Amino acid sequence: EVQLVESGGGLVQPGGSLRLSCAASGFTFSSYAMHWVRQAPGKGLEYVSAISSNGGSTYYANSVKGRFTISRDNSKNTLYLQMGSLRAEDMAVYYCARGIGGMVARYFDYWGQGTLVTVSS
Amino acid sequence: QSALTQPRSVSGSPGQSVTISCTGTSSDVGGYNYVSWYQQHPGKAPKLMIYDVSKRPSGVPDRFSGSKSGNTASLTISGLQAEDEADYYCCSYAGSYTFGVFGGGTKLTVL
Repeated sequence: EVQLVESGGGLVQPGGSLRLSCAASGFTFSSYAMHWVRQAPGKGLEYVSAISSNGGSTYYANSVKGRFTISRDNSKNTLYLQMGSLRAEDMAVYYCARGIGGMVARYFDYWGQGTLVTVSS
Repeated sequence: QSALTQPRSVSGSPGQSVTISCTGTSSDVGGYNYVSWYQQHPGKAPKLMIYDVSKRPSGVPDRFSGSKSGNTASLTISGLQAEDEADYYCCSYAGSYTFGVFGGGTKLTVL
């Protein structure tokens, strides 16, 4: 059974940093591009970042470029999102998702349960 | 990349059918047969319901169907059930060098 379990969310002050993790199981993690999608309270889904199956290519939405870093450790079946210079508008539930079709996914077939990031002083 | 356009809300009675539209451009919805739909219940993660415009993942009831005409994709839910009440999001592939874009979401109310 495919499982994606996020962790690392919490309360952080504006300008602070946080690292999210997504532990994957039930599939060959190193064969899939992985993605982060976020959802601000009461809002829709927003694409955040992607990483290729071997970690060699990454993508960032303009809203997080230069502040967030996506990475993965295929030996640990874990995806990461290092978040820095956090702003109030970064407050959201962050989901990791498995993409189908390569780094530019045609669709996302499995999603984690999400981890909440709260940015507030 | 602009978000795809979905109606804010739709509603229907149990047993009826409803259709949710998702309008994009020739650069996304109209240019590729790679539209997907996700169901999200309150406080839960999104769940894939339709991919590649009209394909259903294993386990998704055949009451859910997808289609596309020009720059507009549609999700139709027939035989509405109470558990179908949720938010629905469309998403479209937009080319090898442009990451996909989501619709703004549609709240389905089962009356």
